Amino acid sequence: DSGVTQTPKHLITATGQRVTLRCSPRSGDLSVYWYQQSLDQGLQFLIQYYNGEERAKGNILERFSAQQFPDLHSELNLSSLELGDSALYFCASSAGQGLYEQYFGPGTRLTVT
Amino acid sequence: GQQVMQIPQYQHVQEGEDFTTYCNSSTTLSNIQWYKQRPGGHPVFLIQLVKSGEVKKQKRLTFQFGEAKKNSSLHITATQTTDVGTYFCSKPGNNDMRFGAGTRLTVKP
Repeated sequence: DSGVTQTPKHLITATGQRVTLRCSPRSGDLSVYWYQQSLDQGLQFLIQYYNGEERAKGNILERFSAQQFPDLHSELNLSSLELGDSALYFCASSAGQGLYEQYFGPGTRLTVT
Repeated sequence: GQQVMQIPQYQHVQEGEDFTTYCNSSTTLSNIQWYKQRPGGHPVFLIQLVKSGEVKKQKRLTFQFGEAKKNSSLHITATQTTDVGTYFCSKPGNNDMRFGAGTRLTVKP
């Protein structure tokens, strides 16, 4: 158990819909990262927050947005969903940036039908 | 952002054989991290390398960081079925976060 929690575990929705994925980092960790992993693919970095502020952006679509709240939990919002958005979405947390290891949550599997 | 290239993409070995995965960058890395993802699981941190030429060992796993800090390798001696999974290198940074494509290792008993 990494200490990072993600909800829900599974999500099935239709094209055009909007969903919100939630992540609670390990106690004391200030950084939260979001990744997308399509079937048998690598980890695509989406976005990073540090202590409530956006710090880095990767290949995140404009239809996607995220935020980190004062209690440090984070939400990833996916809108106008397409079939190609079906993937495993991981949240990871770390104490800081750069030289800190990341602890990954169990992921949310999103299926868009 | 700068990519980290990882090879091979797949490796199938007989139990007891050795395994190596390589990670290469076109730019000098400040540090590199390695993660393992078991089938159906999430990535788990293995190790971080920071110094030029650094070598670290974890039981049968040996991690190396190149002298120029542009490449790294993970070597597993005498693979076991528990080594099955995908191994990722990661180039963490303050403004970017890049993972290699991963090397999927399968082990035949």
